Amino acid sequence: QVQLKESGPGLVQPSQTLSLTCTVSGFSLTSNSVHWVRQPPGKGLEWVGAIWSGGSTDYNSALKSRLSISRDTSKSQVFLKMNSLQTEDTAIYFCTRFPTYWGQGTLVTVSS
Amino acid sequence: DIQMTQSPSSLPASLGDRVTITCRASQDIGNYLRWFQQKPGKSPRLMIYGATNLAAGVPSRFSGSRSGSDYSLTISSLESEDMADYYCLQSKESPFTFGSGTKLEIK
Repeated sequence: QVQLKESGPGLVQPSQTLSLTCTVSGFSLTSNSVHWVRQPPGKGLEWVGAIWSGGSTDYNSALKSRLSISRDTSKSQVFLKMNSLQTEDTAIYFCTRFPTYWGQGTLVTVSS
Repeated sequence: DIQMTQSPSSLPASLGDRVTITCRASQDIGNYLRWFQQKPGKSPRLMIYGATNLAAGVPSRFSGSRSGSDYSLTISSLESEDMADYYCLQSKESPFTFGSGTKLEIK
């Protein structure tokens, strides 16, 4: 069955780089896109970006300068890297085989 | 970027009520509109795709409609399990954009 699981550090210091991994199973990354969506505590959903089946990427306009999404198809993993983190980046980060299958999300707190 | 204006932000309602949530797109998105439900501590769940199509396993009391650039999610008879946050999302063009959300709560 289709599964996605996010992993990464729960705490990141301001100005540092966030690295998250989404490990998927039950489907191929070369046939499906994977998106990242985030949600600050108590706030709404924000689309972060996507890596498409062909390997191209699209990003949220406000995050584009700090964001990179990549993948390793041999390991069935998708990676999110965001630099220059600020407290406003504190959020639950979800990866999703959009729009139907979602990971459980991972909370990232930006704090010193 | 395409802006999605969602209303209301909060909707108190009683069990059995008919409720409607609306999103307005800032430019043409055709039928590239999805609705998601999110319960506390859970991941979002797709409810409606293509503006009017019910996702698999979604109860028939949910429906989606479109009038021009206005998109609506209607629950015909509210049940307790429907109390959740709801979000619209446009997928006409990248970057995709969510509406700001509607909290559906018991009056």
